Amino acid sequence: EAQVTQNPRYLITVTGKKLTVTCSQNMNHEYMSWYRQDPGLGLRQIYYSMNVEVTDKGDVPEGYKVSRKEKRNFPLILESPSPNQTSLYFCASSLASGQPQHFGDGTRLSIL
Amino acid sequence: SQQGEEDPQALSIQEGENATMNCSYKTSINNLQWYRQNSGRGLVHLILIRSNEREKHSGRLRVTLDTSKKSSSLLITASRAADTASYFCATDRSNDYKLSFGAGTTVTVRA
Repeated sequence: EAQVTQNPRYLITVTGKKLTVTCSQNMNHEYMSWYRQDPGLGLRQIYYSMNVEVTDKGDVPEGYKVSRKEKRNFPLILESPSPNQTSLYFCASSLASGQPQHFGDGTRLSIL
Repeated sequence: SQQGEEDPQALSIQEGENATMNCSYKTSINNLQWYRQNSGRGLVHLILIRSNEREKHSGRLRVTLDTSKKSSSLLITASRAADTASYFCATDRSNDYKLSFGAGTTVTVRA
């Protein structure tokens, strides 16, 4: 089954404690992306990747890092999380830029 | 910055009625997509319309695009309770590889 898998689904942590949210897709998609969703703001793109070893900033990249060492995986790293990064995060993938995106089920992060 | 903005923010209709929502955007685009989200779940792609297309249909969905006005509309005909969800437009901008979403329209279909 074609899917985008994010882990964990829920996480409560404290300010400053590094965390990684994993994302994996099984569709051989080239384009992968991370979004955060906050009430009233819709989805905002954090980082995206056009292909392996090619990543670029979205509209809200501050405080986040990503890597794309393999085609299927695109982890999101918060080196020093802060409370303003409390949000619902989605990973998505598509064949190429501008193509329909397949979304994961989301990761709800709470940073205290 | 937010590229797309949906209007209205919320919509409540009776089952069987049509639902129309609009999306406006700021910069030139390659295509525009509509997505549905059920209650905090992942978004599901509904339809993609290219910048050189004016109208597209998929089942009970009808999408229009007016690039001169930088706007799009999504019409859901003969709505059902299962159409209750939030709907988002997303624009693939011409000058970069980002995908920008609006804040969404929340549609409630009353039985």
